[in-house]
Amino acid sequence: KAGVTQTPRYLIKTRGQQVTLSCSPISGHRSVSWYQQTPGQGLQFLFEYFSETQRNKGNFPGRFSGRQFSNSRSEMNVSTLELGDSALYLCASSLEAASKNIQYFGAGTRLSVL
Amino acid sequence: AQSVTQLGSHVSVSEGALVLLRCNYSSSVPPYLFWYVQYPNQGLQLLLKYTSAATLVKGINGFEAEFKKSETSFHLTKPSAHMSDAAEYFCAVTPGGSSNTGKLIFGQGTTLQVKP
Repeated sequence: KAGVTQTPRYLIKTRGQQVTLSCSPISGHRSVSWYQQTPGQGLQFLFEYFSETQRNKGNFPGRFSGRQFSNSRSEMNVSTLELGDSALYLCASSLEAASKNIQYFGAGTRLSVL
Repeated sequence: AQSVTQLGSHVSVSEGALVLLRCNYSSSVPPYLFWYVQYPNQGLQLLLKYTSAATLVKGINGFEAEFKKSETSFHLTKPSAHMSDAAEYFCAVTPGGSSNTGKLIFGQGTTLQVKP
């Protein structure tokens, strides 16, 4: 069974631009979560989607948004990019939106904002 | 509110020595606890999880962790370190019980160095 797939793996953008990252969960998984990883702040929760609905949102500005499609694939969008948005963005999928379920992580998309 | 503290951002051991990575949590409800490992340029891989069954949890690659409620700890151990264990390790917590969220709260991570 294929794992969590994130595309693209690397992105370079300039300040003010917007970016869309994609995540394909493991087949049969209906819950997708996004995390931002930076050296200074570590791993921080962005949002969680289940059955196309946002279930939880972390403490990030409104420039960060996401959505989930009927096939459980998810995208996240960051508008008006800032230098501080440079990070590794990780997507995780699980069977259901339940805390005991294992989150399976993708390899991430590394975003560099110049 | 929940939080995780990993004591020691860097731990260095010799090959064959005991590995001990410390994790303390804070949670207002019974927690579920996880240890993940991250190798360079990769995502996170689950090592083991505690979900209120046995307090001593065995994971992959010879790692294990013990849930100690009285100490609010979930330390990760391995009797004998291998060079391949060099990576960054993350402890994470999520609300236990029938909580319907998969949101993980992570510690700051501990980089394990294994010396030959």
